[in-house]
Amino acid sequence: QSALTQPASVSGSPGQSITISCTGTSSDVGGYNYVSWYQQHPGKAPKLMIYDVNKRPSGVSYRFSGSKSGNLASLTISGLQAEDEADYYCSSYTSSSTWVFGGGTRLAVL
Amino acid sequence: QVQLQESGPGLVKPSQTLSLTCSVSGASISSGSYYWNWIRQPAGKGLEWIGRIYTSGSSNYNPSLKSRVTMSVDTSKNQFSLKLSSVTAADTAVYYCARPPRSLAWYFDLWGRGTLVTVSS
Repeated sequence: QSALTQPASVSGSPGQSITISCTGTSSDVGGYNYVSWYQQHPGKAPKLMIYDVNKRPSGVSYRFSGSKSGNLASLTISGLQAEDEADYYCSSYTSSSTWVFGGGTRLAVL
Repeated sequence: QVQLQESGPGLVKPSQTLSLTCSVSGASISSGSYYWNWIRQPAGKGLEWIGRIYTSGSSNYNPSLKSRVTMSVDTSKNQFSLKLSSVTAADTAVYYCARPPRSLAWYFDLWGRGTLVTVSS
């Protein structure tokens, strides 16, 4: 299984919105509504931000939202804040009953 | 509050077997219907799902690692384990244990803090 494709980095200014893309195949992203997104600060464990494409866990800011179209999933962060600066990973369940992650996207809040 | 904690040797020699344990606190590993997972992250790189094991012992492994991975559950110690054989420098990574909130959930909301394993002679 190949890793999902994410841009290496994105950036935005405080208050702006950014979108991180995650491209897979019909065997993972396109085949299931089981895309999740994780935020990871340096030296910390990943934190779940979005699950099942567009659901937010309790405690996660409404500024985080997810969507999917075909083999492409996206994470949008609106009203950027300094604390959003982190690495973000997408993940999908696959047709092989396994999970695959993206390579990660580093978000810089300028 | 359920917590996961990884433990094991921080240094493993090439060709040897990496062995890690994830201790579950705050709940019995046998309660509920959970798949217990291992995920790793080489320094500066992305996450890689290694595999999962159910309390009954059934498991799924990443095809790229399947020939070298063995997972097990010890209900008496409330922990589950990972063994990765014939390790090389490419297996150097932070290893996390993780769990979804229920059996039919396709994401991980509970993670350990991770443990760094270095493969070097």
